[in-house]
Amino acid sequence: QKEVEQNSGPLSVPEGAIASLNCTYSDRGSQSFFWYRQYSGKSPELIMFIYSNGDKEDGRFTAQLNKASQYVSLLIRDSQPSDSATYLCAPRSGGYQKVTFGIGTKLQVIP
Amino acid sequence: EPEVTQTPSHQVTQMGQEVILRCVPISNHLYFYWYRQILGQKVEFLVSFYNNEISEKSEIFDDQFSVERPDGSNFTLKIRSTKLEDSAMYFCASPGTTGDNEQFFGPGTRLTVL
Repeated sequence: QKEVEQNSGPLSVPEGAIASLNCTYSDRGSQSFFWYRQYSGKSPELIMFIYSNGDKEDGRFTAQLNKASQYVSLLIRDSQPSDSATYLCAPRSGGYQKVTFGIGTKLQVIP
Repeated sequence: EPEVTQTPSHQVTQMGQEVILRCVPISNHLYFYWYRQILGQKVEFLVSFYNNEISEKSEIFDDQFSVERPDGSNFTLKIRSTKLEDSAMYFCASPGTTGDNEQFFGPGTRLTVL
């Protein structure tokens, strides 16, 4: 079983729509969860992180976490063409431990 | 947003040669990480470094790799005898300053082994 599973996509959404990105993880000891955005040829850019079950909102982004289901998601409202990138889910077991990346979901926002 | 810097941005080397990749993390942080990403694949953890010692390393980080802190602000990743399969983007990462333990990535060094 893969440590972090994401649908590689591409996920295509029209401009202005809501993009929903999903991730499941296998390590029940994971305590914090990061979402990174990666443009082609660039480094991962931290979008947001979540520690507690439930929703966390930051601007157009909402992260959702369900530890019982080992599931984390990212919603992007009012999607823009500039949001077109690969979105990486990255759980961490705690403290200053390494993060473990999934393969990422490629998002395409169609103008 | 805190900034992590890396040099060089691109390194081309011959197989068997030694390379040194450099990183300047967010200041005054004791934790530091190296990751790599082979083209088209996921980002993989190499090693974490805490207070001048390796705290964790992956199976990728074999005897050909080493990490050092030559001075107070710089970190290096050395590959002693490069192989074709070492061609990848190498990222360093550093926690930020907010206390949330997030990891900020540098822009990366693209290593090409010929």
